[in-house]
Amino acid sequence: AQSVTQLGSHVSVSEGALVLLRCNYSSSVPPYLFWYVQYPNQGLQLLLKYTSAATLVKGINGFEAEFKKSETSFHLTKPSAHMSDAAEYFCALATAGGTSYGKLTFGQGTILTVHP
Amino acid sequence: DAGITQSPRHKVTETGTPVTLRCHQTENHRYMYWYRQDPGHGLRLIHYSYGVKDTDKGEVSDGYSVSRSKTEDFLLTLESATSSQTSVYFCAISKNTGTPDEQYFGPGTRLTVT
Repeated sequence: AQSVTQLGSHVSVSEGALVLLRCNYSSSVPPYLFWYVQYPNQGLQLLLKYTSAATLVKGINGFEAEFKKSETSFHLTKPSAHMSDAAEYFCALATAGGTSYGKLTFGQGTILTVHP
Repeated sequence: DAGITQSPRHKVTETGTPVTLRCHQTENHRYMYWYRQDPGHGLRLIHYSYGVKDTDKGEVSDGYSVSRSKTEDFLLTLESATSSQTSVYFCAISKNTGTPDEQYFGPGTRLTVT
């Protein structure tokens, strides 16, 4: 069975500091991994996705993530936090094969707070 | 933005009453999903559809049913609402052509069962 674990339900950084949100996965088959962002009272928006083409994936708003198979990790980073980055972030794993194709398993979410 | 709407956006209902939530898409995507979002649990899949009249259960399907009679509409029904079904419900769509594609999410429906 697939699973996703996000380490840290809350992360707080200062504006301009590095953002690091951690995600570890478990999958018996090659994974497809996604990071989504959710702003208050809104739906989820895709930040970036890993589909085996490249281990370092660049997304929107300056975010990027690196797929590390040996560590079963897909951590999200941004060099310099901005106040507008404050939101909840979700890591998700997709399955492939059969009718369950594309089903997402989500992590518990990490709330990012950015201090001035 | 992907053309996904959910209705109603907010609903308060009493325990034991039936409730139907609607998801409508204008993208002609094959796959549609219903999730519920609860604090500390992320999003959990309730049911999904891989084509018209083709549906299957997700991880938290008890107490819910779905129907998809047209490509563009995916209905979620709570046959007899309970307080544990108070949640925010999200619909999502995806093409899933070749490899698993990203899902596009609707704005959500906040359901309160009293």
